[in-house]
Amino acid sequence: EAGVVQSPRYKIIEKKQPVAFWCNPISGHNTLYWYRQNLGQGPELLIRYENEEAVDDSQLPKDRFSAERLKGVDSTLKIQPAELGDSAVYLCASSPSGLAGEGEQFFGPGTRLTVL
Amino acid sequence: QKEVEQNSGPLSVPEGAIASLNCTYSDRVSQSFFWYRQYSGKSPELIMSIYSNGDKEDGRFTAQLNKASQYVSLLIRDSQPSDSATYLCAVISHRGATNKLIFGTGTLLAVQP
Repeated sequence: EAGVVQSPRYKIIEKKQPVAFWCNPISGHNTLYWYRQNLGQGPELLIRYENEEAVDDSQLPKDRFSAERLKGVDSTLKIQPAELGDSAVYLCASSPSGLAGEGEQFFGPGTRLTVL
Repeated sequence: QKEVEQNSGPLSVPEGAIASLNCTYSDRVSQSFFWYRQYSGKSPELIMSIYSNGDKEDGRFTAQLNKASQYVSLLIRDSQPSDSATYLCAVISHRGATNKLIFGTGTLLAVQP
């Protein structure tokens, strides 16, 4: 079974530039999460999708971050414009629907973003 | 107060010893608890889940839960150098409009050969 796929794996941009990350979850997993992980910290949830619906985007900085999951499968997370403080690893995860899936999440390899 | 707290370590143990990793949480209504392992430069991987008070064993790993004390721990028996990683404690939090998985900052474990 293929795992969660993310691209690109690394991205270096200058501040004020836009950047986008792509994620394809495990087949059949209706729930998709985007996390941000800073060095020495645990992952922090940015947004959670149930199928196409964003059910929790309370921690997404909406002035510069946007996300979409148009067909309920793959998802894109965008930052525009990027700031120095956005340098981090952006992780996508997926889980089966239902209460049992909430904590049992499968993570992709992540995208390491460096903003110069 | 952070929702999930862990000692950042590093915790250094000799090969073959028992490694004990601890975690406390603040949301008294939490019912679901998880341990993820994260190797350097890699993404987190679920290794244990526990939902009831007491112990849950899986191979060399034992998760322990004490809801009254709001305390979760992970024991690794016969520690191997390949166990060297950061161990993230995670808890389903019921604060806010929806449930979400809250991670601690992780404890770095170093198993010395």
